[in-house]
Amino acid sequence: DAGITQSPRHKVTETGTPVTLRCHQTENHRYMYWYRQDPGHGLRLIHYSYGVKDTDKGEVSDGYSVSRSKTEDFLLTLESATSSQTSVYFCAISDSGTQTYNEQFFGPGTRLTVL
Amino acid sequence: QQPVQSPQAVILREGEDAVINCSSSKALYSVHWYRQKHGEAPVFLMILLKGGEQKGHDKISASFNEKKQQSSLYLTASQLSYSGTYFCGTDLSGNTGKLIFGQGTTLQVKP
Repeated sequence: DAGITQSPRHKVTETGTPVTLRCHQTENHRYMYWYRQDPGHGLRLIHYSYGVKDTDKGEVSDGYSVSRSKTEDFLLTLESATSSQTSVYFCAISDSGTQTYNEQFFGPGTRLTVL
Repeated sequence: QQPVQSPQAVILREGEDAVINCSSSKALYSVHWYRQKHGEAPVFLMILLKGGEQKGHDKISASFNEKKQQSSLYLTASQLSYSGTYFCGTDLSGNTGKLIFGQGTTLQVKP
């Protein structure tokens, strides 16, 4: 299994509070992704990173920011959490290297509840 | 832009076959398939690239029709362990790994 962890695994917070989720990898993969998963919507990309300090938006980036200061860590921040951000958040990593294949390996997920 | 998967759900008996389809309105560089069991993370199954290359599971096959922008996942002689939700992810650019996932197909295999 790819070495990828997420913390915390579960979090309950209140509307308006800031929240930071952490994704940590030990694979030295270049690409890292944050997804949210909600019933009926599948997985939706929030932000992704293609290198240290290189990030870009996904399809549902409003209300979220990210940072990547080291290869191994990718942080997702909800500046002011809202109830609509209650979801399961997955981090994923991939490393295309010189290959064209870029399968993604997913972390265990963080279940976030915003009250 | 989200690809459409069909069927939404399917129930099989062990040993039966199933096909899951994924259709996009956009030209695709590649199609990825993942399986997710309840309460777990998605797990990679297959990648199919433009031009016919593919990489993945040795007991699951798939096809990719570039002209029709469609992919199909073939599950033959299904086992109980095949139960879960299957997602296709479509890559429109080929150089970022940004995937747009379908809504999922739930497969239940019964003894």
